[in-house]
Formats: sequence, C-alpha cells, structure tokens
Amino acid sequence: DAGVTQSPTHLIKTRGQQVTLRCSPKSGHDTVSWYQQALGQGPQFIFQYYEEEERQRGNFPDRFSGHQFPNYSSELNVNALLLGDSALYLCASSLGTGMAYGYTFGSGTRLTVV
Amino acid sequence: KQEVTQIPAALSVPEGENLVLNCSFTDSAIYNLQWFRQDPGKGLTSLLLIQSSQREQTSGRLNASLDKSSGRSTLYIAASQPGDSATYLCAVRGWGAQKLVFGQGTRLTINP
Repeated sequence: DAGVTQSPTHLIKTRGQQVTLRCSPKSGHDTVSWYQQALGQGPQFIFQYYEEEERQRGNFPDRFSGHQFPNYSSELNVNALLLGDSALYLCASSLGTGMAYGYTFGSGTRLTVV
Repeated sequence: KQEVTQIPAALSVPEGENLVLNCSFTDSAIYNLQWFRQDPGKGLTSLLLIQSSQREQTSGRLNASLDKSSGRSTLYIAASQPGDSATYLCAVRGWGAQKLVFGQGTRLTINP
C-alpha cells in the first residue's frame, strides 16, 4: 500500500523563479494538506484541499497557491521565490476531515532558493 | 491562537533508559493530538493519535498520555534503543480546524 508520494525530493531554484511541487495522497485518501518546515522548526500549515477546493488556508501570502486534481493528487505552486522560501515542504493526506485517523505525511520536497 | 511547546529541545540518554518527552498547548479546546517522529531531512512518521475523549494510547514501547485540562501530553518511551534517535514532534488539532499546530520538536539521541 503506497503511502504519500512527493516529487521531486530535492529542488534548487533562483530568487524570483516559480516552482511546482507535487503530491499523490495515500490510497483511499481524498484530502491533501501542505506544510512548510524551516530548518529546526515545526511544520507550518499552508493550506488544505478537498473536493478540488481550498478548504482552509494558513498565514501564507498569495504567492503560495495550490490545486487538487480529480484523482485527489495535488500541486503546490510558489511564485516569485524568496530566499526565505527555502524549506522542507511536506504533504499530508487524510480521508475526509481526518478526524478519526489523523494525517499521513510524505517524505517531503527540500527546496533551496539561491 | 493555539501555541504548542515542547521541552526540552534536545535530550541525550544512554541506551536502555525509560524517558518522557513533554508537550504543552495553550488552548485546551482540542479535537485530538498526534505524536510524530522525524528522522533528519525526512518526512513525518505518525506514532500515536489521541482523541480528546481519550487519556492515553499505546503502541509497542510507546505510550502517550493526554491531559486536556492542564494542556499537556507526554510521550513515554520504554527501554530506549539507538534506533529511537530522531526528532519527536507533537501536533494538536482544534475543534472545527483542518490544520495541525506543531511544536518545535525534541531532538532525542540514544547513546549505545
């Protein structure tokens, strides 16, 4: 049973560029959340997608946007990259609201902005 | 605004010891609390999920307790092993919220 799959695993971008990160949820899950984890910090919630709609958003600027596809996979897009966007980006999936069984996380994408 | 604190930030103990990791949160109106393990540069592995109606959960050598009224949770690790070395994160979920609010983690080192 495949867990949460994220791609790519590592990425290096230049300031001002745009980046797209991808996530395939665990089999049977229909909800995808994205988190940003800076070095030495706990993950910070970016947003959550359910039924192809953004259901909740954290305190992140509009440069961060997302999408969910009919097969429940999701993309995170970041425009006009800043050095401070360098972080580990984590995708988490759940069935529905995730209240009963919590969230399953992927291995993350390490983004470095130079 | 919910805030989650984990103390200590780092802990080093010899192999075989029993140990306790602490997590505190400021708003007791939580739906559940989840403990995760994170190896360096890797994603999060869920260890235990405690619903707000529960007092504790156990999985193998791990036991997590929850005291909502005092805003505290503990993760007890019995008979620690070098393979337990990792960062341990706790996260709480509020009623009606979709997001998890994380602590900064406790970096645990088990010395052989």
